[in-house]
Amino acid sequence: DGGITQSPKYLFRKEGQNVTLSCEQNLNHDAMYWYRQDPGQGLRLIYYSQIVNDFQKGDIAEGYSVSREKKESFPLTVTSAQKNPTAFYLCASSMTSGNFETQYFGPGTRLLVL
Amino acid sequence: QQQVKQSPQSLIVQKGGISIINCAYENTAFDYFPWYQQFPGKGPALLIAIRPDVSEKKEGRFTISFNKSAKQFSLHIMDSQPGDSATYFCAASDTGRRALTFGSGTRLQVQP
Repeated sequence: DGGITQSPKYLFRKEGQNVTLSCEQNLNHDAMYWYRQDPGQGLRLIYYSQIVNDFQKGDIAEGYSVSREKKESFPLTVTSAQKNPTAFYLCASSMTSGNFETQYFGPGTRLLVL
Repeated sequence: QQQVKQSPQSLIVQKGGISIINCAYENTAFDYFPWYQQFPGKGPALLIAIRPDVSEKKEGRFTISFNKSAKQFSLHIMDSQPGDSATYFCAASDTGRRALTFGSGTRLQVQP
């Protein structure tokens, strides 16, 4: 059963704490992405990785960090430097099929600040 | 900088009617334009996508119309059903970066 899994579904962060969101895919996709979604808004790109051991900052990378040590995994750490972390975090991966690049999304992690 | 502008923010349509959502982009390097459907608490799912070498693509009740000169594209949902009630996002990407730039979303409500 192929797909993208994200865990946990809900995550609570205390002030000054770093938290890590997990994203795993078994689709054999090369590229993976992290997006942030705020209520009533579109998705904004945090980080993306097109190959293992390489990643690039997106539009709102400040206060976040990532790693890409394995093709299947792309964890996102929300650091204490991110002052407004409450949001819905979505991980995606992509393949290239014909002329299109299709991004598949995971179910998301909702991060709340205590 | 918002590079993909989407309208309307919300839309109410009667069952059987046509839902139309519009997007405009600025970056002429964009060469892939997908539409995503998102239900509350879920991740977005690809609905339909188009490349700028065609002006229209149809899949079932869903059609994308694309106007390259105007830098605009739209989603038409024919025979709208209550099950279509969701938030719809347009997006765009270019071959270089590949990551998607999303519009702000349209919340569609189809009334029975």
